[in-house]
Amino acid sequence: GAGVSQSPSNKVTEKGKDVELRCDPISGHTALYWYRQSLGQGLEFLIYFQGNSAPDKSGLPSDRFSAERTGGSVSTLTIQRTQQEDSAVYLCASSLVETYGYTFGSGTRLTVV
Amino acid sequence: AQSVSQHNHHVILSEAASLELGCNYSYGGTVNLFWYVQYPGQHLQLLLKYFSGDPLVKGIKGFEAEFIKSKFSFNLRKPSVQWSDTAEYFCAVNVQWAGNNRKLIWGLGTSLAVNP
Repeated sequence: GAGVSQSPSNKVTEKGKDVELRCDPISGHTALYWYRQSLGQGLEFLIYFQGNSAPDKSGLPSDRFSAERTGGSVSTLTIQRTQQEDSAVYLCASSLVETYGYTFGSGTRLTVV
Repeated sequence: AQSVSQHNHHVILSEAASLELGCNYSYGGTVNLFWYVQYPGQHLQLLLKYFSGDPLVKGIKGFEAEFIKSKFSFNLRKPSVQWSDTAEYFCAVNVQWAGNNRKLIWGLGTSLAVNP
């Protein structure tokens, strides 16, 4: 596609439920990143994919968070047993080559009630 | 540990004023540097980037940034701001470690409000 597409754009979920966030990167971009933007916290790195593998998972806040990428394209970020502190905007970005700069999606605003 | 510091958290200016947003990073290796902007209700967009060469980088919408290696800084500037520049500005540094692994490290952002 023309840009990075994320779905859903908004998600309200009850505490304890699982959620799945999707990212469709720009076609041909091999690098894919997930970030979290919380109010007053700036951008927090979660995970980085190069193709289908994740060389850096160091940002995942707990074992309730997982992500996968298939076919070198679509990525899914899954949060199990959501907590209120998981409420944030989850941003996905892709890049053809890491040094070229990243294109961000519009994000998924997750609210855990 | 690698980090990026943006010293100004909130900046309020009048139109036509000059802007300088500070960004300092802590990392001794090779870096690529970025400034991103997020307008209200929109997603992040790349303003400008530095990889190598001329340390004075020109970006979109009249923005520029200067890489000063000795100061580990990459400050963003604009000679005359407009109301439409009201946005959140993020500085980011791409660091490389352990072979071909890379990570983009972000500052917390600077909120700029330009009064008409």
